Amino acid sequence: EAGVAQSPRYKIIEKRQSVAFWCNPISGHATLYWYQQILGQGPKLLIQFQNNGVVDDSQLPKDRFSAERLKGVDSTLKIQPAKLEDSAVYLCASSLRFGGKDTQYFGPGTRLTVL
Amino acid sequence: GQQLNQSPQSMFIQEGEDVSMNCTSSSIFNTWLWYKQDPGEGPVLLIALYKAGELTSNGRLTAQFGITRKDSFLNISASIPSDVGIYFCAGQLRMSQGAQKLVFGQGTRLTINP
Repeated sequence: EAGVAQSPRYKIIEKRQSVAFWCNPISGHATLYWYQQILGQGPKLLIQFQNNGVVDDSQLPKDRFSAERLKGVDSTLKIQPAKLEDSAVYLCASSLRFGGKDTQYFGPGTRLTVL
Repeated sequence: GQQLNQSPQSMFIQEGEDVSMNCTSSSIFNTWLWYKQDPGEGPVLLIALYKAGELTSNGRLTAQFGITRKDSFLNISASIPSDVGIYFCAGQLRMSQGAQKLVFGQGTRLTINP
């Protein structure tokens, strides 16, 4: 079974530029998550989708971050415009069901450096 | 918001030694999980704990869900080189609409001297 795929793996941009990350979850997984992991810290949830609907985006900085999952499969996370403090690894995760004893499987992440 | 205090932040041990790390919180969680993250990879689930007081083993790993539901520990016995990495605890909360939210600790970096 293929795991969670993310691209690109690395991205370097200058502040005020825009960037987008892509995630393809494990086939059949209804729930998709985006996390931000700053160096030396644990992952922090940004947004959670159930199929193509947003369940929790309470920690998403909506003035610059946006995410979508139009067909309930792939998802993109966008930052526009980027700030220096956005430098982090952006992890995508997916799980089969919604809630309960449901394991989240993580992708390898996209390492973003903002100069 | 919910926060997890994970300790120690780093450990330097000899191969074959046992390891112990723990997480505490002022918040109650309905599930505790332990993940391992290797460089350049996402976290991988090691152990999940679903009931207060539960003690679960996975090979050389043992973890417990605290009685108060506010803490958990992870033990690794007879460490080997491939145990090197960063270990994260995570507490799971049930949110509105039935969503489950993970809150991660800051990690314990394990280094093993052969």
